[in-house]
Amino acid sequence: EIVLTQSPGTLSLSPGERATLSCRTSQSISSSFLAWYQQRPGQAPRLLIYGTYSRATGIPDRFSGSGSVTDFTLTISRLEPEDFAVYFCQHYGSSGITFGPGTKVDI
Amino acid sequence: EVQLVQSGAEVKKPGESLKISCQGSGYNFSIYWIAWVRQMPGKGLEWMGTMYPGDSEARYSPAFQGQVTISADKSISTAYLQWRSLQASDTAIYYCGRQSMFSSALDYWGQGALVTVSS
Repeated sequence: EIVLTQSPGTLSLSPGERATLSCRTSQSISSSFLAWYQQRPGQAPRLLIYGTYSRATGIPDRFSGSGSVTDFTLTISRLEPEDFAVYFCQHYGSSGITFGPGTKVDI
Repeated sequence: EVQLVQSGAEVKKPGESLKISCQGSGYNFSIYWIAWVRQMPGKGLEWMGTMYPGDSEARYSPAFQGQVTISADKSISTAYLQWRSLQASDTAIYYCGRQSMFSSALDYWGQGALVTVSS
């Protein structure tokens, strides 16, 4: 089973700053099956990035994804007030779907 | 417009059974896998299992195998998550999500169903 680890647990930043979130996998994975989600308080998760790099429909270009092998990154170039939320990475593999524990981005 | 609409909040007693639903619209429900995800209070996301409505093939996370049953009725574009005997530890929000054909990411989500199990 592939385990996903996210860091930091909490990221305290201000609007306009850059956020860099890390997701590490316990084994090498295909970049095609690494995704990122945003979850605001009281809401369902929302797909941001799929296939490591590709933005989902309607996602602004301040969100970008990168990485390979075991190290993946979600970058928010300039934080907007609505971006303060929890972010989860997720992998899909032969044994199913695995989520990371999440990174909370707060003010 | 693709939508997944889940059934409402439930309050149950330990030992009771429950079946919650997730109805899809705006796309061909039969050909996309539907996943169920648990979120316990204040915690992260846990994949429970996934079903292909076209032939009702289901795959379960080892952590949930034997604890829940996932099913679907493609004639009414609805997926289900079922418990035979609830426990207090089943208290959580349960989400359904559509799995993308291309990336297997969950590209559309239901609004979530809060299940509270308390005596």
